[in-house]
Amino acid sequence: EDQVTQSPEALRLQEGESSSLNCSYTVSGLRGLFWYRQDPGKGPEFLFTLYSAGEEKEKERLKATLTKKESFLHITAPKPEDSATYLCAVQEEGDSWGKLQFGAGTQVVVTP
Amino acid sequence: NAGVTQTPKFQVLKTGQSMTLQCAQDMNHNSMYWYRQDPGMGLRLIYYSASEGTTDKGEVPNGYNVSRLNKREFSLRLESAAPSQTSVYFCASSEGVSSTDTQYFGPGTRLTVL
Repeated sequence: EDQVTQSPEALRLQEGESSSLNCSYTVSGLRGLFWYRQDPGKGPEFLFTLYSAGEEKEKERLKATLTKKESFLHITAPKPEDSATYLCAVQEEGDSWGKLQFGAGTQVVVTP
Repeated sequence: NAGVTQTPKFQVLKTGQSMTLQCAQDMNHNSMYWYRQDPGMGLRLIYYSASEGTTDKGEVPNGYNVSRLNKREFSLRLESAAPSQTSVYFCASSEGVSSTDTQYFGPGTRLTVL
C-alpha cells in the first residue's frame, strides 16, 4: 500500500495561473516531509523540509504547507521555468537512518 | 565544488553482465545513498551508508552490492544484470548529523539491460 501519494499526476498551467500540488501520506509518525524539484534528465533538487503540522516555507513562487495528513505545494503566478516534476518524500518515525519514502511525483508544465 | 558526481551517465548491458556504478561527493558528508527511479514509481532506496565503514540494505537490495570505499566514494555493483534492473540510478549524500538532514542528489546513471 502506497504511503505517499501525489496528485495530480500531471498539471498544465498557463503562465501566471496559480495552482496547488498535493502530497498525502499515511505514515504513523512523521519525522520530516521533503519537497524536491526534478528537471528532465537531472537528479532531484532540494526545495523544502517541513517537520510539524502548521509549518510553512516559501521560496520565490513556491510555498509549502503541512497538515497532519498532507502537504501542499502552492505555485503562485508560475513562469515557464517552473516546469518540472515535483517530488514529495516522507521520513517516518522509526525508519532506518535517512530513509525517505517518495511519491511518484507531479509533472508540471507551464506554458507562456 | 561539484557536489555529487556519478559515472557513467549512460550504460547498456546484456543480461548476465556485471558493472559498477561510481559515486563521489566533495561536501565532506558522512551519509550516502543509492536509489533507483522507475516510471510511475517513486525513488526507491537500494542501499545506504550512514557513515564511513557501514552499509545497510534499503527497500530493494536484491541483485545489488555496495562498497563504501572511503568517506567520499560509494559504489553500487550489479553482479549479474537482469532486465528488471533497467532503471535510472541516483546517488545521494547528506551530512549525517541527523537522520533528517537534506539529501543532495547526483545527476543519475541511465542503465538499460537487454
